[in-house]
Amino acid sequence: AQSVAQPEDQVNVAEGNPLTVKCTYSVSGNPYLFWYVQYPNRGLQFLLKYITGDNLVKGSYGFEAEFNKSQTSFHLKKPSALVSDSALYFCAVGRRSARQLTFGSGTQLTVLP
Amino acid sequence: EAQVTQNPRYLITVTGKKLTVTCSQNMNHEYMSWYRQDPGLGLRQIYYSMNVEVTDKGDVPEGYKVSRKEKRNFPLILESPSPNQTSLYFCASSHSGTPGGNEQFFGPGTRLTVL
Repeated sequence: AQSVAQPEDQVNVAEGNPLTVKCTYSVSGNPYLFWYVQYPNRGLQFLLKYITGDNLVKGSYGFEAEFNKSQTSFHLKKPSALVSDSALYFCAVGRRSARQLTFGSGTQLTVLP
Repeated sequence: EAQVTQNPRYLITVTGKKLTVTCSQNMNHEYMSWYRQDPGLGLRQIYYSMNVEVTDKGDVPEGYKVSRKEKRNFPLILESPSPNQTSLYFCASSHSGTPGGNEQFFGPGTRLTVL
C-alpha cells in the first residue's frame, strides 16, 4: 500500500519570500515521488520527480524538492515566490512495481503581492 | 502538439441518463487512467489501462465503466449517473513499463454535474 499526506490545505506567502509546500509519504520499498501543479480550469502539469540519486531535485519554473528518507518527506520549495506561482499543488507517490500513482489532497498556494 | 483531450469539458445531466466522456491522447502512450477530483480528497483513481484491451479497477470504480479498444482512446462510461458522481474528471496517460514511476500527462478536465 502507498499513501501521501499534504498537511496544509492552504499556504500563503508574500511575493519574493521563500515558499515551502509540505508532503510526507508512506510506501513499502523505494518510493517514486512527484509534484504536480494545477492552475485554475486546467489539468495537472508535471513539475518534478524523484526516482533515485541526488536528494535535491530541480524542476520547472524554479521549483525544487528535497527527498528526506528518514523523515519520509518530499517538500516542495522555491527560493523566491511569484504571484504567478499561485495554484493548487499535488504531491504523488508510486513504486517501481506499482501500476498506480497515489495523490495527496492538494495544497492551495497563494502568493500575495 | 502532444496532448490529452477530453470531451465534453462541461456536462449537466440528470440521474439515470447514460453518458460517456471521451479521452484521446496522441503520444502513443500505453498507460491511460481516469481520476476524479473532489475538494479535500485530491485525485482518486477510477480505472486504468495498461494497454489495449487491458483495464483494471482503481480506488473508486463503483458506478463507472471503461473500455480500451484502441491505444489512443479511453472513454469513461456512466451507465446510470447519480448525484454523488458530480465531480471534476481527469484523463491521464503515460508510457507504461513502470506507470508508478512515470510522468503522467493530464487532459483539461470534464466538470460533470448530475441533478
